[in-house]
Amino acid sequence: KQEVTQIPAALSVPEGENLVLNCSFTDSAIYNLQWFRQDPGKGLTSLLLIQSSQREQTSGRLNASLDKSSGRSTLYIAASQPGDSATYLCAVRQPGTYKYIFGTGTRLKVLA
Amino acid sequence: DTEVTQTPKHLVMGMTNKKSLKCEQHMGHRAMYWYKQKAKKPPELMFVYSYEKLSINESVPSRFSPECPNSSLLNLHLHALQPEDSALYLCASSSNGAGPSSYEQYFGPGTRLTVT
Repeated sequence: KQEVTQIPAALSVPEGENLVLNCSFTDSAIYNLQWFRQDPGKGLTSLLLIQSSQREQTSGRLNASLDKSSGRSTLYIAASQPGDSATYLCAVRQPGTYKYIFGTGTRLKVLA
Repeated sequence: DTEVTQTPKHLVMGMTNKKSLKCEQHMGHRAMYWYKQKAKKPPELMFVYSYEKLSINESVPSRFSPECPNSSLLNLHLHALQPEDSALYLCASSSNGAGPSSYEQYFGPGTRLTVT
Protein backbone atom coordinates (compact mmCIF):
# COMPACT_ATOMS: atom_id res chain seq x y z
CA LYS A 1 0.00 0.00 0.00
CA GLN A 2 1.42 3.38 -1.07
CA GLU A 3 2.20 5.78 1.76
CA VAL A 4 3.34 9.35 1.24
CA THR A 5 4.97 11.39 3.98
CA GLN A 6 6.30 14.92 4.09
CA ILE A 7 9.01 16.21 6.36
CA PRO A 8 9.08 18.60 8.12
CA ALA A 9 5.43 18.94 9.14
CA ALA A 10 5.95 22.64 9.82
CA LEU A 11 8.66 25.12 8.96
CA SER A 12 9.24 28.75 9.86
CA VAL A 13 11.96 30.71 8.07
CA PRO A 14 12.99 34.35 7.63
CA GLU A 15 12.30 36.01 4.31
CA GLY A 16 14.93 35.48 1.63
CA GLU A 17 15.99 31.99 2.64
CA ASN A 18 16.22 29.17 0.13
CA LEU A 19 14.39 26.12 1.41
CA VAL A 20 13.72 22.50 0.59
CA LEU A 21 10.54 20.56 1.26
CA ASN A 22 10.64 16.77 1.18
CA CYS A 23 8.14 14.17 -0.02
CA SER A 24 8.75 10.44 0.42
CA PHE A 25 6.73 7.56 -1.00
CA THR A 26 6.99 3.84 -0.27
CA ASP A 27 6.15 2.37 -3.70
CA SER A 28 8.36 3.60 -6.54
CA ALA A 29 5.85 2.48 -9.19
CA ILE A 30 4.19 5.84 -9.65
CA TYR A 31 2.73 7.46 -12.77
CA ASN A 32 3.49 11.04 -11.77
CA LEU A 33 3.97 13.30 -8.76
CA GLN A 34 2.32 16.69 -8.31
CA TRP A 35 3.13 19.51 -5.88
CA PHE A 36 0.39 21.83 -4.62
CA ARG A 37 0.06 24.78 -2.29
CA GLN A 38 -3.01 25.39 -0.18
CA ASP A 39 -3.89 28.61 1.60
CA PRO A 40 -6.07 28.27 4.73
CA GLY A 41 -9.65 27.33 3.87
CA LYS A 42 -8.96 27.43 0.13
CA GLY A 43 -8.58 24.93 -2.67
CA LEU A 44 -5.32 23.47 -3.91
CA THR A 45 -3.19 25.29 -6.47
CA SER A 46 -1.05 23.16 -8.74
CA LEU A 47 2.61 24.16 -8.64
CA LEU A 48 4.50 21.51 -10.57
CA LEU A 49 3.81 18.14 -12.15
CA ILE A 50 6.60 15.63 -12.71
CA GLN A 51 5.94 12.61 -14.89
CA SER A 52 7.61 9.35 -13.86
CA SER A 53 10.05 9.61 -16.78
CA GLN A 54 11.22 13.09 -15.73
CA ARG A 55 13.84 14.09 -13.17
CA GLU A 56 12.82 17.67 -12.48
CA GLN A 57 10.52 20.54 -13.34
CA THR A 58 10.99 24.27 -12.83
CA SER A 59 8.60 27.18 -12.60
CA GLY A 60 9.92 30.56 -11.56
CA ARG A 61 11.46 30.29 -8.09
CA LEU A 62 10.28 26.70 -7.73
CA ASN A 63 12.15 23.57 -8.71
CA ALA A 64 10.90 20.05 -8.07
CA SER A 65 13.00 16.93 -8.46
CA LEU A 66 12.01 13.29 -8.56
CA ASP A 67 14.09 10.22 -7.69
CA LYS A 68 11.79 7.25 -8.13
CA SER A 69 14.36 4.64 -7.15
CA SER A 70 14.77 6.18 -3.71
CA GLY A 71 11.09 7.14 -3.39
CA ARG A 72 11.77 10.84 -2.94
CA SER A 73 10.82 14.20 -4.36
CA THR A 74 12.00 17.60 -3.21
CA LEU A 75 10.51 21.03 -3.77
CA TYR A 76 13.09 23.80 -3.74
CA ILE A 77 11.88 27.36 -3.15
CA ALA A 78 14.41 30.08 -3.87
CA ALA A 79 14.46 33.43 -2.11
CA SER A 80 11.36 32.77 -0.03
CA GLN A 81 8.78 35.55 0.46
CA PRO A 82 5.98 36.06 3.01
CA GLY A 83 3.52 35.33 0.19
CA ASP A 84 4.93 31.79 0.01
CA SER A 85 3.38 31.05 3.43
CA ALA A 86 0.95 28.18 2.90
CA THR A 87 0.65 24.42 3.26
CA TYR A 88 2.53 22.48 0.61
CA LEU A 89 1.24 19.06 -0.42
CA CYS A 90 2.65 16.41 -2.71
CA ALA A 91 0.51 13.73 -4.35
CA VAL A 92 1.46 10.62 -6.31
CA ARG A 93 -0.69 8.96 -8.93
CA GLN A 94 -0.72 5.22 -9.06
CA PRO A 95 -0.31 3.62 -12.52
CA GLY A 96 -3.48 2.29 -14.12
CA THR A 97 -5.78 4.20 -11.79
CA TYR A 98 -7.11 7.68 -11.20
CA LYS A 99 -6.22 7.37 -7.54
CA TYR A 100 -3.93 10.03 -6.09
CA ILE A 101 -2.32 9.56 -2.70
CA PHE A 102 -1.59 12.79 -0.85
CA GLY A 103 1.26 13.43 1.54
CA THR A 104 0.74 14.74 5.03
CA GLY A 105 1.74 18.30 4.07
CA THR A 106 4.30 20.87 5.23
CA ARG A 107 2.99 24.09 6.77
CA LEU A 108 5.39 26.87 5.76
CA LYS A 109 5.59 30.28 7.35
CA VAL A 110 7.93 32.88 5.89
CA LEU A 111 8.59 35.75 8.28
CA ALA A 112 9.01 39.31 6.99
CA ASP B 1 -8.61 28.74 -18.69
CA THR B 2 -7.63 26.36 -15.91
CA GLU B 3 -10.56 27.13 -13.64
CA VAL B 4 -12.72 24.71 -11.73
CA THR B 5 -15.73 26.35 -10.10
CA GLN B 6 -17.72 25.09 -7.13
CA THR B 7 -21.01 26.22 -5.65
CA PRO B 8 -21.97 27.05 -3.02
CA LYS B 9 -18.89 28.35 -1.18
CA HIS B 10 -20.49 27.69 2.19
CA LEU B 11 -23.34 25.39 3.19
CA VAL B 12 -24.97 24.81 6.55
CA MET B 13 -27.46 21.96 6.68
CA GLY B 14 -29.35 19.98 9.26
CA MET B 15 -29.08 16.23 9.52
CA THR B 16 -32.46 15.73 7.83
CA ASN B 17 -31.85 18.07 4.91
CA LYS B 18 -31.10 17.22 1.30
CA LYS B 19 -28.63 19.44 -0.52
CA SER B 20 -26.30 19.28 -3.50
CA LEU B 21 -22.79 20.52 -4.23
CA LYS B 22 -21.94 21.49 -7.79
CA CYS B 23 -18.68 21.54 -9.71
CA GLU B 24 -17.98 22.73 -13.24
CA GLN B 25 -14.95 22.82 -15.53
CA HIS B 26 -14.51 23.86 -19.15
CA MET B 27 -11.02 22.54 -19.81
CA GLY B 28 -12.25 19.51 -21.72
CA HIS B 29 -11.09 17.21 -18.93
CA ARG B 30 -12.73 13.81 -18.90
CA ALA B 31 -11.81 12.84 -15.32
CA MET B 32 -13.47 14.55 -12.35
CA TYR B 33 -12.97 13.96 -8.65
CA TRP B 34 -14.55 14.61 -5.26
CA TYR B 35 -12.35 14.91 -2.20
CA LYS B 36 -13.14 15.51 1.46
CA GLN B 37 -10.71 17.47 3.61
CA LYS B 38 -10.78 17.87 7.37
CA ALA B 39 -8.85 20.61 9.12
CA LYS B 40 -5.06 20.20 9.03
CA LYS B 41 -5.35 16.94 7.07
CA PRO B 42 -4.65 16.14 3.42
CA PRO B 43 -7.56 15.65 1.01
CA GLU B 44 -9.14 12.20 0.99
CA LEU B 45 -10.43 10.83 -2.30
CA MET B 46 -14.14 10.03 -2.35
CA PHE B 47 -15.17 9.46 -5.98
CA VAL B 48 -13.70 9.59 -9.47
CA TYR B 49 -15.63 9.84 -12.73
CA SER B 50 -13.98 9.04 -16.03
CA TYR B 51 -15.89 9.77 -19.25
CA GLU B 52 -19.01 10.35 -17.13
CA LYS B 53 -18.84 6.89 -15.59
CA LEU B 54 -18.05 6.21 -11.94
CA SER B 55 -14.53 4.81 -11.85
CA ILE B 56 -13.67 4.89 -8.15
CA ASN B 57 -15.83 4.88 -5.02
CA GLU B 58 -13.64 4.85 -1.93
CA SER B 59 -16.25 3.05 0.17
CA VAL B 60 -18.07 6.29 0.80
CA PRO B 61 -21.33 6.06 2.83
CA SER B 62 -24.49 6.08 0.72
CA ARG B 63 -25.60 9.39 2.24
CA PHE B 64 -23.17 10.86 -0.33
CA SER B 65 -24.39 10.32 -3.89
CA PRO B 66 -22.30 11.53 -6.83
CA GLU B 67 -23.62 12.35 -10.26
CA CYS B 68 -21.91 13.34 -13.51
CA PRO B 69 -24.61 14.69 -15.88
CA ASN B 70 -22.10 15.58 -18.61
CA SER B 71 -18.39 15.96 -19.17
CA SER B 72 -18.29 19.45 -17.63
CA LEU B 73 -20.45 18.99 -14.55
CA LEU B 74 -20.12 17.01 -11.35
CA ASN B 75 -22.63 16.98 -8.52
CA LEU B 76 -22.52 15.57 -5.01
CA HIS B 77 -25.94 14.96 -3.49
CA LEU B 78 -26.10 14.99 0.29
CA HIS B 79 -28.79 13.40 2.45
CA ALA B 80 -29.07 12.60 6.15
CA LEU B 81 -25.54 13.71 6.91
CA GLN B 82 -23.87 13.48 10.30
CA PRO B 83 -21.98 16.26 12.14
CA GLU B 84 -18.71 14.40 11.46
CA ASP B 85 -19.31 14.98 7.74
CA SER B 86 -18.56 18.66 8.27
CA ALA B 87 -15.49 19.40 6.15
CA LEU B 88 -14.18 21.18 3.06
CA TYR B 89 -15.36 19.38 -0.07
CA LEU B 90 -13.07 19.79 -3.02
CA CYS B 91 -13.71 19.06 -6.67
CA ALA B 92 -10.90 18.47 -9.14
CA SER B 93 -10.48 17.58 -12.79
CA SER B 94 -7.68 16.25 -14.95
CA SER B 95 -6.97 15.33 -18.51
CA ASN B 96 -6.38 11.70 -19.31
CA GLY B 97 -4.42 11.94 -22.50
CA ALA B 98 -0.76 11.81 -23.29
CA GLY B 99 1.71 14.63 -22.96
CA PRO B 100 3.66 16.44 -20.25
CA SER B 101 0.56 17.70 -18.46
CA SER B 102 -1.42 14.50 -18.62
CA TYR B 103 -3.38 13.75 -15.47
CA GLU B 104 -2.43 17.07 -13.87
CA GLN B 105 -5.15 17.82 -11.36
CA TYR B 106 -6.82 21.20 -11.09
CA PHE B 107 -8.85 21.94 -7.99
CA GLY B 108 -11.79 24.19 -7.30
CA PRO B 109 -12.00 26.52 -4.27
CA GLY B 110 -14.09 24.05 -2.30
CA THR B 111 -17.40 24.10 -0.44
CA ARG B 112 -17.21 24.52 3.33
CA LEU B 113 -19.96 22.23 4.69
CA THR B 114 -21.25 22.42 8.23
CA VAL B 115 -23.76 19.82 9.42
CA THR B 116 -25.76 20.85 12.49
